[in-house]
Amino acid sequence: DVKVTQSSRYLVKRTGEKVFLECVQDMDHENMFWYRQDPGLGLRLIYFSYDVKMKEKGDIPEGYSVSREKKERFSLILESASTNQTSMYLCASSSYPRGARQPQHFGDGTRLSIL
Amino acid sequence: AQTVTQSQPEMSVQEAETVTLSCTYDTSESDYYLFWYKQPPSRQMILVIRQEAYKQQNATENRFSVNFQKAAKSFSLKISDSQLGDAAMYFCAYRTHNTGNQFYFGTGTSLTVIP
Repeated sequence: DVKVTQSSRYLVKRTGEKVFLECVQDMDHENMFWYRQDPGLGLRLIYFSYDVKMKEKGDIPEGYSVSREKKERFSLILESASTNQTSMYLCASSSYPRGARQPQHFGDGTRLSIL
Repeated sequence: AQTVTQSQPEMSVQEAETVTLSCTYDTSESDYYLFWYKQPPSRQMILVIRQEAYKQQNATENRFSVNFQKAAKSFSLKISDSQLGDAAMYFCAYRTHNTGNQFYFGTGTSLTVIP
């Protein structure tokens, strides 16, 4: 089974801090994704990466950056955390599709609180 | 732009009964894939069922089945013989070859199963 591991289930940080959320997958997937999940808004894509050192902005990239130095690891960075970034963050991975039939596999999520 | 709409923020069903969750999507593509994901409370999001747009036959996975109406751009999920463990958030998602590996998610439906 695919395993997507997020480094923390719960995280509390202060405004202005630089925050790192880490995600590791063990299935050699090309694609990795970071989402933000808020009640009533569903999943909103922050960034995704389709290869090492490659990244694409999603729908809400402002205030975030990402890093993918190795294929298995995709990091989300909050450059200067703000209270409106308090949310659940989900990491996902998927293989590169011959067709687009490959599903995403999700981590357990990180519930981030910015005080 | 691709959009996925889940018009039912909350649904409830009596244990052992059947419930249908609705999903509509907007696309100009002819070849795409649709997914239903389940997110139990405080647990990982997992794939429930997948449908290829080129297939006319509706996908089925045990108690879960879909009603895929391509012309109407509708993709509903039917859960038969509902069980307490079916209580979760359910997300509909869409993906094509042409969206840069990106998935598009609806805002989710929270399903309560009443004993």
